[in-house]
Amino acid sequence: QSVLTQPPSTSGAPGQRVTISCSGSSSNIGRNAVNWYQQLPGTAPKLLIFNNNQRPSGVPDRFSGSKSGTSASLAISGLQSEDETDYYCAAWDDSLNGVLFGGGTKLTVL
Amino acid sequence: QVQLVQSGSELKQPGASVKLSCKASGYTFTTYGMIWVRQAPGQGLEWMGWINTNTGNPTYAQDFTGRFVFSLDTSVSTAYLQISSLKAEDTAVYYCARPRGGGGGREYHHFGMDVWGQGTTVTVSS
Repeated sequence: QSVLTQPPSTSGAPGQRVTISCSGSSSNIGRNAVNWYQQLPGTAPKLLIFNNNQRPSGVPDRFSGSKSGTSASLAISGLQSEDETDYYCAAWDDSLNGVLFGGGTKLTVL
Repeated sequence: QVQLVQSGSELKQPGASVKLSCKASGYTFTTYGMIWVRQAPGQGLEWMGWINTNTGNPTYAQDFTGRFVFSLDTSVSTAYLQISSLKAEDTAVYYCARPRGGGGGREYHHFGMDVWGQGTTVTVSS
């Protein structure tokens, strides 16, 4: 079964660095790039990272992405209160011939 | 500015149909495909598929075949999502999104979806 697994929640104190993992398989992350989206409550998702580690213009460099094998990670450094929201990874899945989203991770800033 | 503006909330009875719209502005509509994404209440995001705005050719995700239809009216830069035989489990927010690389297929996915509509809430209830 094709699935991208994210931890349901994570937390960190202001100023700290947190990472959010996204675990997949050879049919998705193992062969294709990973994108990350941030979704504030009641709003549409926003592209945060594309092509594993690229930031669209306007995204602070506190946000970074990486990929290794069949897993990817989103790192947020210098945690701020406004970072408290939901984050989703996404990757193309060759078995499904479509995009898979992770289940989402809710970040709490303590 | 580049934006996607979606139609307003819908309340429908089970078995009815609904047609949602997504109007693009600020860019050449046919240069980018249109992706549709569903988000059920309190749940994550689901990729429904995409439509090629040049050819009108739709591609549906496996879970969205049969009752879901993507269409276009390029004269008004608008994409549509029609859902027939509505069920309670279709209750969700539906988003349209622009694929940053132009197309919605595998070769373009790594560019991401950079412009999103505000979402349309569809509630299916008797």
